[in-house]
Amino acid sequence: SQQGEEDPQALSIQEGENATMNCSYKTSINNLQWYRQNSGRGLVHLILIRSNEREKHSGRLRVTLDTSKKSSSLLITASRAADTASYFCATDARSNDYKLSFGAGTTVTVRA
Amino acid sequence: NAGVTQTPKFQVLKTGQSMTLQCAQDMNHNSMYWYRQDPGMGLRLIYYSASEGTTDKGEVPNGYNVSRLNKREFSLRLESAAPSQTSVYFCASSDWAGDQPQHFGDGTRLSIL
Repeated sequence: SQQGEEDPQALSIQEGENATMNCSYKTSINNLQWYRQNSGRGLVHLILIRSNEREKHSGRLRVTLDTSKKSSSLLITASRAADTASYFCATDARSNDYKLSFGAGTTVTVRA
Repeated sequence: NAGVTQTPKFQVLKTGQSMTLQCAQDMNHNSMYWYRQDPGMGLRLIYYSASEGTTDKGEVPNGYNVSRLNKREFSLRLESAAPSQTSVYFCASSDWAGDQPQHFGDGTRLSIL
């Protein structure tokens, strides 16, 4: 069963704006990862945040993790047309033998 | 450096036919995975291989079999295809399970008529 749930399901923004999407999960986790999927392609790993970390940055990406609320957010700053994609969170937990469990994703459209 | 290569990219089958999806990785990863992706459902794990010589069921293994041929290759077989198996199939690999990023192929788009 899916552990993560992304919100919103879809997001449309203007180029240059920030995009924020959220992921909630149900059980205690070991790590949380974010992936991007461009249309017709495989998933590409963006960032991994461990359960003992609260925030992580990578270029224009900022990920936060709140284990007390069982939620994470992904912020993309100064969005570009090339950021148009679906974004997925994935969690792993000891209870699931550390296998990744993916959410259904947020589809982001960046308008020029 | 090709990463994860899946073949074929597209396939149409009739109900009851069999086929094998191939996956190979050139990153010397220990763990390999097969997922299916259906609209609105994210990725669901079919089978995985934590290391060469081992395979285990994932969330949706029914109707599938796998073979970890060697460290590089991990194949997925549909013995008797059903329309419910129409999906996009992704192979992935990682150094180890858990706290390692997974690297994905570009998928096989499979339609069962």
